[in-house]
Amino acid sequence: NAGVTQTPKFQVLKTGQSMTLQCAQDMNHEYMSWYRQDPGMGLRLIHYSVGAGITDQGEVPNGYNVSRSTTEDFPLRLLSAAPSQTSVYFCASSYLVSTGELFFGEGSRLTVL
Amino acid sequence: TQLLEQSPQFLSIQEGENLTVYCNSSSVFSSLQWYRQEPGEGPVLLVTVVTGGEVKKLKRLTFQFGDARKDSSLHITAAQPGDTGLYLCAGGTGFQKLVFGTGTRLLVSP
Repeated sequence: NAGVTQTPKFQVLKTGQSMTLQCAQDMNHEYMSWYRQDPGMGLRLIHYSVGAGITDQGEVPNGYNVSRSTTEDFPLRLLSAAPSQTSVYFCASSYLVSTGELFFGEGSRLTVL
Repeated sequence: TQLLEQSPQFLSIQEGENLTVYCNSSSVFSSLQWYRQEPGEGPVLLVTVVTGGEVKKLKRLTFQFGDARKDSSLHITAAQPGDTGLYLCAGGTGFQKLVFGTGTRLLVSP
């Protein structure tokens, strides 16, 4: 079972460059989300989606864009990378969020120089 | 902004010891989940509690949700090296969002 698949696993960018982190799930989950994980700060929600065509902002959305054209895919776009966006990014999916289990990908480690 | 503070941040113990990790907030949550994360991997769900005062046991792990649904604790009995990892609590807000705690990094040495 693939579950939640994130690519790439590692990426180094220069300040100002743009890139897209890919996320795909094969569990037919309606809910998908992106988190960033920084030391001592746990996981912070960037953007989330409750279904195809529906997205909303989380706690730290600035500098990131998302779209949800299919149930399976939820890409995260960095428009103009900044050193403050150096982090580990996790994509997660679920049937229901408030009581349902979140299934996470293995993470994408991004370094912005 | 709802915050979940975990304590302690770091815990280094010997195999066989008992420990408790706390997850506290001033906000009320509809549910509380605990995840464990190992290096290079995403978090994996351990348990979900939804009722104030609820206690759940998973082998040597005991989870409790506070009566007022603002706090939770995770107690591990006779810790083993396999328990090593980052433990994260996460509160459900009922608005399709989970608020994650700051994390407790546990190291259990043989």
